[in-house]
Formats: sequence, structure tokens, C-alpha cells
Amino acid sequence: AQSVTQLGSHVSVSEGALVLLRCNYSSSVPPYLFWYVQYPNQGLQLLLKYTSAATLVKGINGFEAEFKKSETSFHLTKPSAHMSDAAEYFCAVSVGTGGFKTIFGAGTRLFVKA
Amino acid sequence: KAGVTQTPRYLIKTRGQQVTLSCSPISGHRSVSWYQQTPGQGLQFLFEYFSETQRNKGNFPGRFSGRQFSNSRSEMNVSTLELGDSALYLCASSLEVAASTDTQYFGPGTRLTVL
Repeated sequence: AQSVTQLGSHVSVSEGALVLLRCNYSSSVPPYLFWYVQYPNQGLQLLLKYTSAATLVKGINGFEAEFKKSETSFHLTKPSAHMSDAAEYFCAVSVGTGGFKTIFGAGTRLFVKA
Repeated sequence: KAGVTQTPRYLIKTRGQQVTLSCSPISGHRSVSWYQQTPGQGLQFLFEYFSETQRNKGNFPGRFSGRQFSNSRSEMNVSTLELGDSALYLCASSLEVAASTDTQYFGPGTRLTVL
């Protein structure tokens, strides 16, 4: 069965510092992996997705993630944190060939200190 | 294009009642998925509809049901509400070109409080 584990429910960084949010997946088939961001009182917004093309995926707002099959990881990074990056981030895996069944990680709340 | 819209945005019900939530997908999108988000359980998949057919279902009791209309709008219903059903219910739509790799676009959610 597919699953996603996000390491660290809370991450705090200083403005301008590197952001690293960790995600490990478990999948018996080649996975389709996603990172979403959720701001307070809003729905989820897609940051980026891996669909078996390039292993380094660039997304919106300066975020990127690297798919590492040997480590079963899909960590999200951003070189320089901005105050507006403060939000909750979800890693997800999409399973099944007949439609959607997206499995989400527990989420990581990112705090950015001035 | 307008985004995914969900109505109502907030809802307060009492135990034992039933509730219907509505989702209007982005124009042209044919797949609609529903998720429940709670602090304890996180984001959990409820079900997914395509062309008025439920294609996938999560691990929720039969009190949770849904349907999709010919215009792709979707409703979900929860009967005999329990306190634990208090949650943010999110709807997401997609074009349904490549299924699992499609981008899902989420609505703002309906916040359900059960008293």
C-alpha cells in the first residue's frame, strides 16, 4: 500500500535561510508525488509534482523537490525563506490507474522568523 | 476561469442531523474528489467521481455518500452526524487527462461543526 511520511510536524527557519521539508514515500509501483501548500482558512494549492520525468522538479514560489528512488524521498527545498512562506505543507502520493486516490502526509507547519 | 467553489463555507449542525455539501468544479473539469481534514487524522480521501460515477472510495462509513451530476457538480452527504464529523471538507477538481498525474485544484472548503 502507498503511504507518505513527513518528518517534523513543525519547522522553524529564519527569513533568508534554507527551507527543507522532508517527505518519504512507500509505494509498490512508480509513484506520482506532489507537494501542496495550505494557507490559513484556504484550500490546498499545488506547489509541484513528480510524474516520472525529470527527478528535480521546480515549482512555484521558488520551491523545488528532488525525487530520489534509492532513498524513497521527495524532499521540498527553497534556498531563501520569505515571511510569506509561512504555511502548512503537505506531501502526497497519487495511486491507482482508474481515477484519483491521493494519500496525504500529516503535514509540516513552516514558521518563518524575521 | 472561476476556481472550485464550495457551499456553504461554514455550517453548524447537531448530532444526529444530516448535512449536504456542494462543490462546483472548474469549468471543463470532469473529476471531483472529496477530502476530510481534521487536526487528528489530517487529510483523508473520501471519494472521487467522474462522469457521474464513483470511481474510488476511501475508508469511511456508509454515512458518508456523494454523487455527481451531469454538469460535473458534486454533492456529498453525511447522515446521522457525530461529533467526530466536525472537520474541513475539501473538494478538488481536475481535467481528467492522465488521471493520477493530473493537477487537482482545491476549493476553500466547508467548515462543518457538529454540536
